[in-house]
Amino acid sequence: QKEVEQNSGPLSVPEGAIASLNCTYSDRVSQSFFWYRQYSGKSPELIMSIYSNGDKEDGRFTAQLNKASQYVSLLIRDSQPSDSATYLCAVELEYKLSFGAGTTVTVRA
Amino acid sequence: SAVISQKPSRDICQRGTSLTIQCQVDSQVTMMFWYRQQPGQSLTLIATANQGSEATYESGFVIDKFPISRPNLTFSTLTVSNMSPEDSSIYLCSVQQGSMNTEAFFGQGTRLTVV
Repeated sequence: QKEVEQNSGPLSVPEGAIASLNCTYSDRVSQSFFWYRQYSGKSPELIMSIYSNGDKEDGRFTAQLNKASQYVSLLIRDSQPSDSATYLCAVELEYKLSFGAGTTVTVRA
Repeated sequence: SAVISQKPSRDICQRGTSLTIQCQVDSQVTMMFWYRQQPGQSLTLIATANQGSEATYESGFVIDKFPISRPNLTFSTLTVSNMSPEDSSIYLCSVQQGSMNTEAFFGQGTRLTVV
């Protein structure tokens, strides 16, 4: 079983809609969870970190964590064409990050 | 967040040769990390580099193929040795910061093509 799994995508949403990204992880001991955005040809950029169960909001982004279900999600509200990118879920264990395969999001104008 | 400078940004190399990638950070950090991102795939951790000790390699990666130096708290190098076309990837240097020292920030990456 892969350590970090994401919904495979690609995900296409109209401008202004909500994009919903999901991630599950296998190791219950993990304590830190992250979402990265990666534009084509660029390195990953941290957009959200979450450590406790529940929701964390930052601008148009909301991360949700459920440790009991080993599930992390990212919602992008009011999606913009500039949100078109690959989104990587990452899970920390003993200071090392494991990344999911990524979900490519395309926002249609 | 730390500013991470990585070079070269890209290179095309002949098979059988070696390439050394440099990573410079603008602040002192205990751990530096090297990742590989193969075409169309996600990031895979190669090794963790601590100053003053040997790097710790992940399963599937060995020191002979990917020797790492960490001479001080702001600098590290990764060498890709005896290259083959399968080594064509993006190599990324990373440091971790934040309240729990787990938020990873990346250099701009080195795009390596082996011909």
